[in-house]
Amino acid sequence: EDQVTQSPEALRLQEGESSSLNCSYTVSGLRGLFWYRQDPGKGPEFLFTLYSAGEEKEKERLKATLTKKESFLHITAPKPEDSATYLCAVQALTSGSRLTFGEGTQLTVNP
Amino acid sequence: EAGVTQFPSHSVIEKGQTVTLRCDPISGHDNLYWYRRVMGKEIKFLLHFVKESKQDESGMPNNRFLAERTGGTYSTLKVQPAELEDSGVYFCASSQDGLREMLGELFFGEGSRLTVL
Repeated sequence: EDQVTQSPEALRLQEGESSSLNCSYTVSGLRGLFWYRQDPGKGPEFLFTLYSAGEEKEKERLKATLTKKESFLHITAPKPEDSATYLCAVQALTSGSRLTFGEGTQLTVNP
Repeated sequence: EAGVTQFPSHSVIEKGQTVTLRCDPISGHDNLYWYRRVMGKEIKFLLHFVKESKQDESGMPNNRFLAERTGGTYSTLKVQPAELEDSGVYFCASSQDGLREMLGELFFGEGSRLTVL
């Protein structure tokens, strides 16, 4: 069974304080790993897709990286508007288009 | 362009009653998904439509849940009879392009919160 574990569950940062979120996964053949952002009362919003170990994607202050067992979402010099829950999901080669999500990391950036 | 819309945003019902959730995908999106998040747990897949056909319904918890997508446009998810453990947030997502579907780039609605008392 595919599994995704995210850590930490919650993270508080000061504005400008860089950090990383972790996503560990177990999947029977990875098709893709995805990062989403979710604001309170909203649905998840797509951020990145990573396909293979060593791949990196960047968007503004966010950079996602992938190894064979985990992915990191690096946040550089965060701003209060980066506060949200960040979700990691995997799609296995054998599971069609179904996504398996982790429970998310709730990020709070204080001004 | 309108996003994925879901109705109602919140529904409170008693155990044993019936509730129907509706999802209007982005116009032209053939792929429609239902996911749900129960309290304290991760978002879990329920099912996937391609147009009006059920492509994958392996995540449906039991036969109290019925999803339909008549005409390949909007979809409904009916829970009958509702149980306490059905409480949670039900998300609908859509995607158009087959390649993007496999990329996991889904467009989610804001969700329908279901509370069963």
